[in-house]
Amino acid sequence: DAGVIQSPRHEVTEMGQEVTLRCKPISGHDYLFWYRQTMMRGLELLIYFNNNVPIDDSGMPEDRFSAKMPNASFSTLKIQPSEPRDSAVYFCASSSARVGRHYNEQFFGPGTRLTVL
Amino acid sequence: KQEVTQIPAALSVPEGENLVLNCSFTDSAIYNLQWFRQDPGKGLTSLLLIQSSQREQTSGRLNASLDKSSGRSTLYIAASQPGDSATYLCAVRDNYGQNFVFGPGTRLSVLP
Repeated sequence: DAGVIQSPRHEVTEMGQEVTLRCKPISGHDYLFWYRQTMMRGLELLIYFNNNVPIDDSGMPEDRFSAKMPNASFSTLKIQPSEPRDSAVYFCASSSARVGRHYNEQFFGPGTRLTVL
Repeated sequence: KQEVTQIPAALSVPEGENLVLNCSFTDSAIYNLQWFRQDPGKGLTSLLLIQSSQREQTSGRLNASLDKSSGRSTLYIAASQPGDSATYLCAVRDNYGQNFVFGPGTRLSVLP
């Protein structure tokens, strides 16, 4: 498997613009997570899905952030409008709750480095 | 609310040394604990996952232990190599869902 795939790898945009980050989880995984990493706050969970359904979005900072998972192989995280304080690295991760060697082990994508000017 | 801390924040050792990284968590009602490494500008690579019923896991030169009652986990790295230089993070999953709480990480430098 190719692992968790994220695009774009880098995004530079201007304040006020809409930003869409994309994630393809590992095939067969039933959980998908979106994280944000900053120097000040470390890694923070934003939202996670189980079988394409959002389970916990309490980490989403405000209404400007939204996430969707229209099918088992694709998720998006959207910021509209973007602000300079949204600059961070955004990671997507996936895991499987099927019993086995990697039961509930999270696998991360390479991340999207977002810069909002 | 679960809080995870890691000590030390940074560590520099000569090549060949054995070393221990520490992870502490405040709520012992955890489901599992996972250790990751992160190279600069990269994503997180899973190293070891310890289920709450387990005491330790081993992979090559790495050994992770878990003591739920005291809220601690250690990552032991044997015969360290320069390629081990990275930031090591531990993450705790609570019993109430899939929520992972990450520690701030330990930045390790292994000098040749």
